[in-house]
Amino acid sequence: DAGVTQSPTHLIKTRGQQVTLRCSPISGHKSVSWYQQVLGQGPQFIFQYYEKEERGRGNFPDRFSARQFPNYSSELNVNALLLGDSALYLCASRLLAGGFYNEQFFGPGTRLTVL
Amino acid sequence: RKEVEQDPGPFNVPEGATVAFNCTYSNSASQSFFWYRQDCRKEPKLLMSVYSSGNEDGRFTAQLNRASQYISLLIRDSKLSDSATYLCAVNADTDKLIFGTGTRLQVFP
Repeated sequence: DAGVTQSPTHLIKTRGQQVTLRCSPISGHKSVSWYQQVLGQGPQFIFQYYEKEERGRGNFPDRFSARQFPNYSSELNVNALLLGDSALYLCASRLLAGGFYNEQFFGPGTRLTVL
Repeated sequence: RKEVEQDPGPFNVPEGATVAFNCTYSNSASQSFFWYRQDCRKEPKLLMSVYSSGNEDGRFTAQLNRASQYISLLIRDSKLSDSATYLCAVNADTDKLIFGTGTRLQVFP
């Protein structure tokens, strides 16, 4: 079975530009979360979506937005890119939202470089 | 104080050694706990969930100590292929994982 897929794998942008990252969850999984991982740190939670509704938001500015589509895929948008947005952006899917030990599985990530 | 703290290491151990990592968390309301393994420039992969009773999977054993608010990961008979960064993750708000910075393990021949 296919795991979580993300596109593109790598991206180079300049300051001030906008970027859209895409994620397809594991088949049957309805919840998608986005994380940002900068070098030397653990992933940081950005958003979680379930059934097309935002269920959680991390401590990120309004330049970050996301949405989920009827087929449960998701997009993360970042506007007005800053150098500090350079990171690995990870998408994670889980079967449902809520509950404990409802494990999350990560996609390979999109490596964004902002010049 | 960080919500989840780990010793960044690196832990350099010979093949066959036993190594243990600890991870402390600050939110006593945390409900679920995980260890992920992350290879260089790759995504985190779920290694194991950490249940109250502890759990074991082959050479890997995870423990939870709620009173002291830490989880541990023990790796026995280390292999070269165990070299990676080990991330602990804690879930209090059920849809948000909070990660530590990771502990780097290097196993040498």
